[in-house]
Amino acid sequence: QVQLQESGPGLVKPSQTLSLTCSVSGGTISSGDYYWSWIRQSPGKGLEWIAYIYYSGNTYYNPSLKSRVTISVDTSKNQFSLKLSSVTAADTAVYYCARELSLSYYFDYWGRGTLVTVSS
Amino acid sequence: QSALTQPASVSGSPGQSITISCTGTSSDVGGYNYVSWYQQHPGKAPKLMIYDVSNRPSGVSNRFSGSKSGNTASLTISGLQAEDEADYYCSSYTSSSTLVLFGGGTKLTVL
Repeated sequence: QVQLQESGPGLVKPSQTLSLTCSVSGGTISSGDYYWSWIRQSPGKGLEWIAYIYYSGNTYYNPSLKSRVTISVDTSKNQFSLKLSSVTAADTAVYYCARELSLSYYFDYWGRGTLVTVSS
Repeated sequence: QSALTQPASVSGSPGQSITISCTGTSSDVGGYNYVSWYQQHPGKAPKLMIYDVSNRPSGVSNRFSGSKSGNTASLTISGLQAEDEADYYCSSYTSSSTLVLFGGGTKLTVL
């Protein structure tokens, strides 16, 4: 059974960079059948897709966040990561990592999510 | 404002059927069969319930079904059970550069 687990600081100061890692177990990131995404959910609001990465390093970003987001993959550790720069209170959210069957545009496995609060 | 429009809330009694709508445009819901639905209980991660408009992943009850007509997709839950009380989100591929859109979510209350 595939499992995803997010990790990273729960509190980030305004203007700093949010950094999260997703560790994948029960499956291999480099299998080639899947894309690996970050999705967030602001308090009391809906879901927002942020970006995805393929094991080869190919990436795609939501244009609304593209200028501040970097997603990367470490196949040796079976992990992928998210960096979001110049954060503000509007970036406070639960951040999920998720798996997408290659270009199927649905997410079949999700991590439990991690709350990141942007505050001084 | 979310790109896909869902009702904020729906309710039903145990045993009844309910339908949640998800309205988009011809650039997303209406133009492609890449609509999916997720169930989210409080404090939990979303769970895939329907993909490609009407397909159920293994393990999902056949009480859950999906359909689409024009620019509106629908999730129907039959034989409502208390455990179905949750938030439900639709999602769709979009031909815009955003790639994936979600609805604002619908809170289902089982009376």
